[in-house]
Amino acid sequence: AQSVAQPEDQVNVAEGNPLTVKCTYSVSGNPYLFWYVQYPNRGLQFLLKYITGDNLVKGSYGFEAEFNKSQTSFHLKKPSALVSDSALYFCAVRPNTGGFKTIFGAGTRLFVKA
Amino acid sequence: DAMVIQNPRYQVTQFGKPVTLSCSQTLNHNVMYWYQQKSSQAPKLLFHYYDKDFNNEADTPDNFQSRRPNTSFCFLDIRSPGLGDAAMYLCATAIAGEVRQETQYFGPGTRLLVL
Repeated sequence: AQSVAQPEDQVNVAEGNPLTVKCTYSVSGNPYLFWYVQYPNRGLQFLLKYITGDNLVKGSYGFEAEFNKSQTSFHLKKPSALVSDSALYFCAVRPNTGGFKTIFGAGTRLFVKA
Repeated sequence: DAMVIQNPRYQVTQFGKPVTLSCSQTLNHNVMYWYQQKSSQAPKLLFHYYDKDFNNEADTPDNFQSRRPNTSFCFLDIRSPGLGDAAMYLCATAIAGEVRQETQYFGPGTRLLVL
């Protein structure tokens, strides 16, 4: 079965430190990969995506993600965390096999402490 | 600004009383999705439209229906809400057929409370 795993329910980091939010997937073929962020009582906001090309993708608000095909991972990173980055982060995978369904991970809550 | 709008933002209904949630978009996207999200869990896809073609997920209860009268609007109808249907309902849009436009654009959500 196709799935997306975010192994950490919560990530805590101090402001100014680098952060990583992990994502691995089990989807056949060459899927499209996404990160979305959700603030309290809001919809999801697109951060970045990998379709093809350079394995390091840069996105909004200083975030970037690295695609690793051999490890089927797409970890989200930021060199220096801000308190305002505290939110719920979802990794999502869109199988490139037709159809429109996107598979979301369970989400990782990021807490950035001042 | 182009956007996805959901109304109302908060909806309170009674057990068994039908309710309709609304989504509109100014992006002219041809795909519209409805998701159910409970307690900061992953959004669960209920159904989607590709233009006028309706696609229901296999595990979406019959209690949930949808209408898309035109490109801009999509409605979620819950015929007989139960306590378990209390959740955040998210509408999203996307452009199909263009690889670089696979991004989904989400509305702010409607939080449904069932009393």
